[in-house]
Amino acid sequence: AQSVTQLDSHVSVSEGTPVLLRCNYSSSYSPSLFWYVQHPNKGLQLLLKYTSAATLVKGINGFEAEFKKSETSFHLTKPSAHMSDAAEYFCVVSDRSNDYKLSFGAGTTVTVRA
Amino acid sequence: DTGVSQDPRHKITKRGQNVTFRCDPISEHNRLYWYRQTLGQGPEFLTYFQNEAQLEKSRLLSDRFSAERPKGSFSTLEIQRTEQGDSAMYLCASSSGLVQTKNIQYFGAGTRLSVL
Repeated sequence: AQSVTQLDSHVSVSEGTPVLLRCNYSSSYSPSLFWYVQHPNKGLQLLLKYTSAATLVKGINGFEAEFKKSETSFHLTKPSAHMSDAAEYFCVVSDRSNDYKLSFGAGTTVTVRA
Repeated sequence: DTGVSQDPRHKITKRGQNVTFRCDPISEHNRLYWYRQTLGQGPEFLTYFQNEAQLEKSRLLSDRFSAERPKGSFSTLEIQRTEQGDSAMYLCASSSGLVQTKNIQYFGAGTRLSVL
């Protein structure tokens, strides 16, 4: 079985400061890992994905994530937060054990202070 | 590429009524997924199709729920005899059927259901 745990339900940062969203995963096989973002009343947008290539993955809007197998982690970072980054972020795992269906974490709400 | 579209965006209904939602996937995608998202939670898998074949239904999907994808293109999700506990955002996603990309799903904006 596969699962993810998002370690923070809420993160609050000041505009221009770094953002760190933490995610640990569990998977019996080589996992694919994703971060999705959801703005209020909008659908889910794919930020970035790890699919067994480079362990440091760059995504859209300046976000990046590092896959660390030894720590079973896939933390999301951004060097400088922008007001538009305020949203809900979901860490997601997928592997072949269930035909690559997605399993979502509970989400992290990011607020950005001016 | 027009993306995944869902209709309606919002639905308000009275308990006991039937509702139907529609999802149009990205045109070249042969996999289509339905998820349910309640407030403060991540999306939960409900069911998925490869072309017109329904491959799996979650145990979350009671007998009141039925999904179809008759021609392998758009899909409908029907809820019969709605209950207040059905109030949620219903999300649709699509992906290609290729091994390399089948797990890269693109989501629609969702249908928010409120059962009064």
